Amino acid sequence: DTAVSQTPKYLVTQMGNDKSIKCEQNLGHDTMYWYKQDSKKFLKIMFSYNNKELIINETVPNRFSPKSPDKAHLNLHINSLELGDSAVYFCASSQEMGNEQFFGPGTRLTVL
Amino acid sequence: GENVEQHPSTLSVQEGDSAVIKCTYSDSASNYFPWYKQELGKRPQLIIDIRSNVGEKKDQRIAVTLNKTAKHFSLHITETQPEDSAVYFCAARHGWGKLQFGAGTQVVVTP
Repeated sequence: DTAVSQTPKYLVTQMGNDKSIKCEQNLGHDTMYWYKQDSKKFLKIMFSYNNKELIINETVPNRFSPKSPDKAHLNLHINSLELGDSAVYFCASSQEMGNEQFFGPGTRLTVL
Repeated sequence: GENVEQHPSTLSVQEGDSAVIKCTYSDSASNYFPWYKQELGKRPQLIIDIRSNVGEKKDQRIAVTLNKTAKHFSLHITETQPEDSAVYFCAARHGWGKLQFGAGTQVVVTP
Protein backbone atom coordinates (compact mmCIF):
# COMPACT_ATOMS: atom_id res chain seq x y z
CA ASP A 1 0.00 0.00 0.00
CA THR A 2 3.06 2.27 -0.28
CA ALA A 3 2.11 5.51 -2.02
CA VAL A 4 5.43 6.40 -3.69
CA SER A 5 8.14 3.78 -3.85
CA GLN A 6 11.70 3.90 -5.14
CA THR A 7 14.30 1.26 -5.82
CA PRO A 8 16.98 0.78 -4.85
CA LYS A 9 17.20 2.40 -1.42
CA TYR A 10 20.98 2.43 -1.50
CA LEU A 11 23.28 2.48 -4.51
CA VAL A 12 27.05 2.36 -4.24
CA THR A 13 28.98 2.44 -7.48
CA GLN A 14 32.23 3.44 -9.12
CA MET A 15 32.86 6.61 -11.07
CA GLY A 16 32.09 6.25 -14.75
CA ASN A 17 29.38 3.64 -14.30
CA ASP A 18 25.77 3.98 -15.52
CA LYS A 19 22.93 3.40 -13.08
CA SER A 20 19.15 3.70 -12.90
CA ILE A 21 16.70 4.51 -10.12
CA LYS A 22 13.07 3.48 -10.45
CA CYS A 23 10.02 5.22 -9.05
CA GLU A 24 6.40 4.18 -8.93
CA GLN A 25 3.33 5.85 -7.44
CA ASN A 26 -0.06 4.22 -6.87
CA LEU A 27 -1.90 7.42 -5.99
CA GLY A 28 -3.25 8.03 -9.47
CA HIS A 29 -1.38 11.34 -9.63
CA ASP A 30 -0.71 13.09 -12.91
CA THR A 31 2.61 14.70 -12.03
CA MET A 32 5.90 13.17 -10.91
CA TYR A 33 9.21 14.74 -9.95
CA TRP A 34 12.83 13.99 -9.26
CA TYR A 35 14.71 15.94 -6.60
CA LYS A 36 18.35 15.85 -5.55
CA GLN A 37 19.19 16.44 -1.90
CA ASP A 38 22.84 17.15 -1.26
CA SER A 39 24.80 16.86 1.97
CA LYS A 40 23.62 20.32 3.03
CA LYS A 41 20.02 19.04 2.81
CA PHE A 42 19.07 21.43 0.03
CA LEU A 43 16.18 20.02 -2.04
CA LYS A 44 16.72 20.84 -5.69
CA ILE A 45 14.20 19.92 -8.35
CA MET A 46 15.66 18.19 -11.37
CA PHE A 47 12.72 17.11 -13.53
CA SER A 48 8.95 17.07 -13.57
CA TYR A 49 6.63 15.06 -15.77
CA ASN A 50 2.92 15.58 -16.23
CA ASN A 51 1.03 12.72 -17.87
CA LYS A 52 4.29 11.35 -19.25
CA GLU A 53 5.29 14.72 -20.71
CA LEU A 54 8.41 16.55 -19.56
CA ILE A 55 7.39 19.84 -17.95
CA ILE A 56 10.40 20.93 -15.92
CA ASN A 57 13.98 20.30 -16.87
CA GLU A 58 16.26 22.26 -14.60
CA THR A 59 19.91 22.88 -15.32
CA VAL A 60 20.91 19.27 -14.98
CA PRO A 61 23.80 17.64 -16.88
CA ASN A 62 22.55 15.66 -19.84
CA ARG A 63 24.09 12.58 -18.23
CA PHE A 64 20.79 12.49 -16.33
CA SER A 65 17.87 11.23 -18.39
CA PRO A 66 14.39 10.70 -16.99
CA LYS A 67 11.97 8.27 -18.57
CA SER A 68 8.27 7.98 -17.94
CA PRO A 69 6.82 4.81 -19.50
CA ASP A 70 3.40 5.64 -18.03
CA LYS A 71 2.06 8.21 -15.62
CA ALA A 72 2.61 5.94 -12.62
CA HIS A 73 6.34 5.53 -13.26
CA LEU A 74 9.24 7.93 -13.57
CA ASN A 75 12.70 6.44 -13.77
CA LEU A 76 16.03 8.22 -13.66
CA HIS A 77 19.04 7.01 -15.60
CA ILE A 78 22.46 8.44 -14.93
CA ASN A 79 25.38 7.93 -17.30
CA SER A 80 29.08 8.27 -16.51
CA LEU A 81 28.60 8.81 -12.80
CA GLU A 82 30.78 11.43 -11.11
CA LEU A 83 31.75 11.95 -7.47
CA GLY A 84 29.51 15.04 -7.31
CA ASP A 85 26.47 12.94 -8.14
CA SER A 86 26.59 11.46 -4.65
CA ALA A 87 23.39 12.56 -2.94
CA VAL A 88 19.95 11.35 -1.94
CA TYR A 89 17.52 11.32 -4.85
CA PHE A 90 13.84 11.67 -4.07
CA CYS A 91 10.98 10.90 -6.36
CA ALA A 92 7.67 12.64 -5.65
CA SER A 93 4.20 12.90 -7.10
CA SER A 94 1.25 15.28 -6.91
CA GLN A 95 -2.27 15.35 -8.25
CA GLU A 96 -1.58 18.58 -10.09
CA MET A 97 1.57 20.50 -10.81
CA GLY A 98 2.79 22.21 -7.64
CA ASN A 99 0.14 20.88 -5.26
CA GLU A 100 0.91 18.73 -2.22
CA GLN A 101 3.77 16.47 -3.15
CA PHE A 102 4.19 12.98 -1.78
CA PHE A 103 7.80 11.90 -1.59
CA GLY A 104 9.30 8.47 -2.00
CA PRO A 105 11.71 7.08 0.63
CA GLY A 106 14.76 8.30 -1.27
CA THR A 107 17.72 6.58 -2.90
CA ARG A 108 21.11 7.26 -1.37
CA LEU A 109 23.63 7.22 -4.21
CA THR A 110 27.31 7.01 -3.33
CA VAL A 111 29.85 7.32 -6.11
CA LEU A 112 33.35 6.11 -5.22
CA GLY B 1 12.04 32.76 -11.36
CA GLU B 2 10.87 32.33 -7.79
CA ASN B 3 13.43 32.67 -5.01
CA VAL B 4 12.63 31.46 -1.49
CA GLU B 5 14.80 32.42 1.46
CA GLN B 6 14.45 30.65 4.78
CA HIS B 7 15.75 31.65 8.22
CA PRO B 8 17.22 30.58 10.49
CA SER B 9 19.26 27.69 9.15
CA THR B 10 19.42 26.11 12.61
CA LEU B 11 17.19 26.61 15.62
CA SER B 12 17.68 25.17 19.09
CA VAL B 13 14.78 25.38 21.52
CA GLN B 14 14.03 24.02 24.95
CA GLU B 15 11.21 21.52 25.16
CA GLY B 16 7.97 23.37 25.76
CA ASP B 17 9.13 26.60 24.14
CA SER B 18 7.93 27.90 20.78
CA ALA B 19 9.81 27.78 17.49
CA VAL B 20 9.36 30.18 14.59
CA ILE B 21 10.77 29.77 11.09
CA LYS B 22 10.45 32.55 8.52
CA CYS B 23 10.48 32.48 4.74
CA THR B 24 10.35 35.18 2.10
CA TYR B 25 9.51 34.76 -1.55
CA SER B 26 10.07 36.92 -4.59
CA ASP B 27 7.26 36.14 -7.04
CA SER B 28 4.08 38.02 -6.15
CA ALA B 29 2.13 35.53 -8.31
CA SER B 30 3.00 32.65 -5.94
CA ASN B 31 -0.22 31.30 -4.49
CA TYR B 32 0.51 28.16 -2.49
CA PHE B 33 2.91 27.82 0.45
CA PRO B 34 3.50 24.36 1.96
CA TRP B 35 5.74 23.36 4.82
CA TYR B 36 7.51 20.02 4.90
CA LYS B 37 9.12 18.20 7.80
CA GLN B 38 12.00 15.81 7.20
CA GLU B 39 13.15 13.62 10.06
CA LEU B 40 16.65 12.20 9.98
CA GLY B 41 16.97 9.61 7.25
CA LYS B 42 13.33 9.93 6.22
CA ARG B 43 11.42 11.52 3.38
CA PRO B 44 10.00 15.07 3.49
CA GLN B 45 6.34 15.08 4.52
CA LEU B 46 3.79 17.87 4.30
CA ILE B 47 2.77 19.16 7.71
CA ILE B 48 0.73 22.23 6.84
CA ASP B 49 0.06 24.48 3.87
CA ILE B 50 -1.61 27.80 3.18
CA ARG B 51 -3.03 29.40 0.07
CA SER B 52 -2.78 33.03 -0.88
CA ASN B 53 -6.42 33.80 -0.05
CA VAL B 54 -5.86 32.95 3.63
CA GLY B 55 -3.78 34.84 6.19
CA GLU B 56 -3.42 32.18 8.87
CA LYS B 57 -3.99 28.48 9.35
CA LYS B 58 -3.63 26.36 12.45
CA ASP B 59 -3.44 22.63 13.07
CA GLN B 60 -2.99 21.67 16.72
CA ARG B 61 0.48 22.87 17.76
CA ILE B 62 1.53 24.19 14.36
CA ALA B 63 0.36 27.31 12.58
CA VAL B 64 1.35 29.16 9.46
CA THR B 65 0.89 32.86 8.74
CA LEU B 66 1.11 34.57 5.38
CA ASN B 67 1.73 38.24 4.64
CA LYS B 68 1.19 38.68 0.90
CA THR B 69 2.08 42.36 0.93
CA ALA B 70 5.46 41.73 2.48
CA LYS B 71 5.83 38.41 0.67
CA HIS B 72 6.71 36.40 3.72
CA PHE B 73 5.25 33.45 5.57
CA SER B 74 6.14 31.80 8.85
CA LEU B 75 5.77 28.48 10.62
CA HIS B 76 5.02 28.53 14.33
CA ILE B 77 5.39 25.45 16.52
CA THR B 78 4.13 25.81 20.08
CA GLU B 79 4.90 23.60 23.09
CA THR B 80 7.76 21.94 21.26
CA GLN B 81 8.51 18.29 21.94
CA PRO B 82 11.60 16.19 21.18
CA GLU B 83 9.77 14.59 18.24
CA ASP B 84 9.57 18.02 16.60
CA SER B 85 13.34 17.79 16.00
CA ALA B 86 13.78 17.65 12.23
CA VAL B 87 14.61 19.74 9.17
CA TYR B 88 11.73 21.95 8.10
CA PHE B 89 11.38 23.25 4.54
CA CYS B 90 9.16 26.02 3.35
CA ALA B 91 8.16 26.24 -0.30
CA ALA B 92 6.33 28.58 -2.62
CA ARG B 93 4.48 27.60 -5.77
CA HIS B 94 5.44 29.66 -8.75
CA GLY B 95 2.54 31.01 -10.77
CA TRP B 96 2.72 28.19 -13.33
CA GLY B 97 3.13 25.40 -10.87
CA LYS B 98 6.76 24.75 -9.90
CA LEU B 99 7.46 24.44 -6.18
CA GLN B 100 10.57 26.32 -5.05
CA PHE B 101 11.93 25.11 -1.72
CA GLY B 102 13.77 27.09 0.92
CA ALA B 103 17.15 25.86 2.14
CA GLY B 104 15.72 24.23 5.25
CA THR B 105 15.89 24.84 9.01
CA GLN B 106 17.38 22.26 11.34
CA VAL B 107 15.27 22.36 14.53
CA VAL B 108 16.69 20.75 17.65
CA VAL B 109 14.43 20.44 20.67
CA THR B 110 16.36 19.76 23.86
CA PRO B 111 14.62 18.12 26.82
